[in-house]
Amino acid sequence: QKEVEQNSGPLSVPEGAIASLNCTYSDRGSQSFFWYRQYSGKSPELIMSIYSNGDKEDGRFTAQLNKASQYVSLLIRDSQPSDSATYLCAVMANDMRFGAGTRLTVKP
Amino acid sequence: DGGITQSPKYLFRKEGQNVTLSCEQNLNHDAMYWYRQDPGQGLRLIYYSQIVNDFQKGDIAEGYSVSREKKESFPLTVTSAQKNPTAFYLCASSIMGAYEKLFFGSGTQLSVL
Repeated sequence: QKEVEQNSGPLSVPEGAIASLNCTYSDRGSQSFFWYRQYSGKSPELIMSIYSNGDKEDGRFTAQLNKASQYVSLLIRDSQPSDSATYLCAVMANDMRFGAGTRLTVKP
Repeated sequence: DGGITQSPKYLFRKEGQNVTLSCEQNLNHDAMYWYRQDPGQGLRLIYYSQIVNDFQKGDIAEGYSVSREKKESFPLTVTSAQKNPTAFYLCASSIMGAYEKLFFGSGTQLSVL
């Protein structure tokens, strides 16, 4: 079982729709959770971090965490073509573990 | 501007050759990291360093070596022992104790000739 699992996609949504990205993790001791955005051929960029159960909103982005279910998600509202990228879920326990990423395409 | 600089952007390795990837940061971060990224896989940790002259192996250190002689610099050498070196290599840094707030360099794509 992979430590951090994501659906590889591609996930395709129309412009203006809500994109929902999901991630599950295996280490129950994990305390910190992150979403990175990575454009093709570029380095990852931190867009959201979440540390406690519930929702955290930042602009069009909402991170959701459910530690009991070992599940973290990222919602992107009003998706734009510029949101087209791979989104990496990262989970911190003793060290940082990354998922393989979900490729999102937002179609105009 | 503060940031992390990786060079070169593209690198080609001949069989049996060692190559060195450069990583320099001016963020005054204590901790630095090297990750490898393969298509369809998450980032995997090669080595990390939390202070000068000290570093630890990550999950996939075999075939790689590092040094940390200066706080600003953390070069990675891909040795001939690494039989499958083709990948995208990312250097990152963070304030020590803030492992999660990683700042990444622009990456080096290494390919085998």
